[in-house]
Amino acid sequence: DAGVTQSPTHLIKTRGQQVTLRCSPKSGHDTVSWYQQALGQGPQFIFQYYEEEERQRGNFPDRFSGHQFPNYSSELNVNALLLGDSALYLCASSSGSGAQETQYFGPGTRLLVL
Amino acid sequence: GESVGLHLPTLSVQEGDNSIINCAYSNSASDYFIWYKQESGKGPQFIIDIRSNMDKRQGQRVTVLLNKTVKHLSLQIAATQPGDSAVYFCAETPAAGNKLTFGGGTRVLVKP
Repeated sequence: DAGVTQSPTHLIKTRGQQVTLRCSPKSGHDTVSWYQQALGQGPQFIFQYYEEEERQRGNFPDRFSGHQFPNYSSELNVNALLLGDSALYLCASSSGSGAQETQYFGPGTRLLVL
Repeated sequence: GESVGLHLPTLSVQEGDNSIINCAYSNSASDYFIWYKQESGKGPQFIIDIRSNMDKRQGQRVTVLLNKTVKHLSLQIAATQPGDSAVYFCAETPAAGNKLTFGGGTRVLVKP
């Protein structure tokens, strides 16, 4: 049973570019959440997708957008990259439409913006 | 704003001793609490969770205690092993919604 998978593992971009990160949820899970983790800090919630719609959103600008596909996989898109977007981007999956479902994390994508 | 924080940024423990990691939260609406372990270069790994209607929950070598009166959460690791060396995060969610709010993390270093 595969856990949460993310691609790519590492990525280097320059300021102003756009990036797309991908996530496949754990088998049986239908909800995907994205988090940004700066070095030495705890993860910060970006947004959550359920039934192909954004259900919740954290305090991130519109440059951050996402999508969920019918197979529950998800993408995170970041436009007009800034140096401060350099971070580990984590995807977490969970099941059910109710609250307080345990979220399981993938290994993350390390993004470096130069 | 509401936040979850930790008292100790680094905890050095002798192998075989018990570890206690503390966490304070400020959101009185928090209803579900989770401890995650994050090793270098990896994503957070679920350790144990507890709901607000409980005071204590035990897993394999780990125990989570919740004191709602003082909004305090702790993780106890019994017989700490070298493999327990990692950064530990507490996280919480409110009763409605599934957004995790994380603290800054505590690094646990296990000395042989």
